[in-house]
Amino acid sequence: AQSVTQLDSQVPVFEEAPVELRCNYSSSVSVYLFWYVQYPNQGLQLLLKYLSGSTLVESINGFEAEFNKSQTSFHLRKPSVHISDTAEYFCAVSYSGGYQKVTFGIGTKLQVIP
Amino acid sequence: DAGITQSPRYKITETGRQVTLMCHQTWSHSYMFWYRQDLGHGLRLIYYSAAADITDKGEVPDGYVVSRSKTENFPLTLESATRSQTSVYFCASTRGQDEGNQPQHFGDGTRLSIL
Repeated sequence: AQSVTQLDSQVPVFEEAPVELRCNYSSSVSVYLFWYVQYPNQGLQLLLKYLSGSTLVESINGFEAEFNKSQTSFHLRKPSVHISDTAEYFCAVSYSGGYQKVTFGIGTKLQVIP
Repeated sequence: DAGITQSPRYKITETGRQVTLMCHQTWSHSYMFWYRQDLGHGLRLIYYSAAADITDKGEVPDGYVVSRSKTENFPLTLESATRSQTSVYFCASTRGQDEGNQPQHFGDGTRLSIL
């Protein structure tokens, strides 16, 4: 069985400051890792994903995440946050042959303070 | 590009009533999913479907029924609603075969309150 742990339920950060949202997973097989973002009253949207290859993946709006197999982590980072980044972020894991089933973390609410 | 739509967006009903949440996608995606989102639990899978007429239970299926007679539709029915089923429900879909590497596309959710 696989599981995802998001260590922080809420992260307040000042605008233009850096942020890291932590995600750890457990799985006995090879995994695929995702970060999704949810804005108020909306569904989740894919932010970035790691499938294979380079362990550092980036999104179009400046977020990046690094797959660390030895630490079973997939932390999300941004060097300078904007007010518009205020949202809830979900880490998720699936696995090869997993029939598209995904396990989600409980989410981290990022609050950007002006 | 309509994507994936859920209806209704908001619903209030009483305990014991039957309620059906609708989900429609225009991509012809093979896989469809129903989740519930609750504070402190994140998203939990209720049911999923790999194709028309193929459905299977997820993590929290009790009290729910699904069907999938057409690829594009995946309704979720609460046969006799209970207060514990008050939640926000999300439908999602994804293309691809059995590999788990496809991102899911979500609807905007149905906020269901059971009094």
